[in-house]
Amino acid sequence: DQQVKQNSPSLSVQEGRISILNCDYTNSMFDYFLWYKKYPAEGPTFLISISSIKDKNEDGRFTVFLNKSAKHLSLHIVPSQPGDSAVYFCAASAFGSGNTGKLIFGQGTTLQVKP
Amino acid sequence: DVKVTQSSRYLVKRTGEKVFLECVQDMDHENMFWYRQDPGLGLRLIYFSYDVKMKEKGDIPEGYSVSREKKERFSLILESASTNQTSMYLCASRRIQRGSDTQYFGPGTRLTVL
Repeated sequence: DQQVKQNSPSLSVQEGRISILNCDYTNSMFDYFLWYKKYPAEGPTFLISISSIKDKNEDGRFTVFLNKSAKHLSLHIVPSQPGDSAVYFCAASAFGSGNTGKLIFGQGTTLQVKP
Repeated sequence: DVKVTQSSRYLVKRTGEKVFLECVQDMDHENMFWYRQDPGLGLRLIYFSYDVKMKEKGDIPEGYSVSREKKERFSLILESASTNQTSMYLCASRRIQRGSDTQYFGPGTRLTVL
């Protein structure tokens, strides 16, 4: 039972345009969400997070939107750069429940930004 | 900056061997995690530890054990390696601050079991 789903295995965009990566979740107990970026043969790097008390969080070129009623979040990258080409994982946790820190990850989306 | 290191970047082992993967963090974090990453499956939690000598099973603990004798070090042990344990293994350390709760990952160990 996949509690966090990234239904698009891959995405290709042109340099300078917007990249939109999507993530859906099923567990209504999730209240904290993160996005990670991963290059081949390296560990994931934390990008941005959002708490369920917000619907938007922005950090430079990266913005995460959270739609709790739809159980959906998205990561927007504007403008996209070739160095953004990587695998992006969304992750969720129930921060306020038990606080074990367990993260549930999606399957990942491979983003390719073409020059 | 949080620094998480893993003992090996690449390992090749034979079926039945005992394998030790080590992870060290330098930020005095209490919580540490071991994941494996496989194509199409994302990252899956094997074990985690919330303090020295404390451990809990994650979602796929079968075939693995862990050891946390010191706060900075969290070891993953494959008691008898099998080919289906060929994977990328990732260690993470958790930092909790006001308003944020983030796991920081090491570079990973690519394990091949022949």
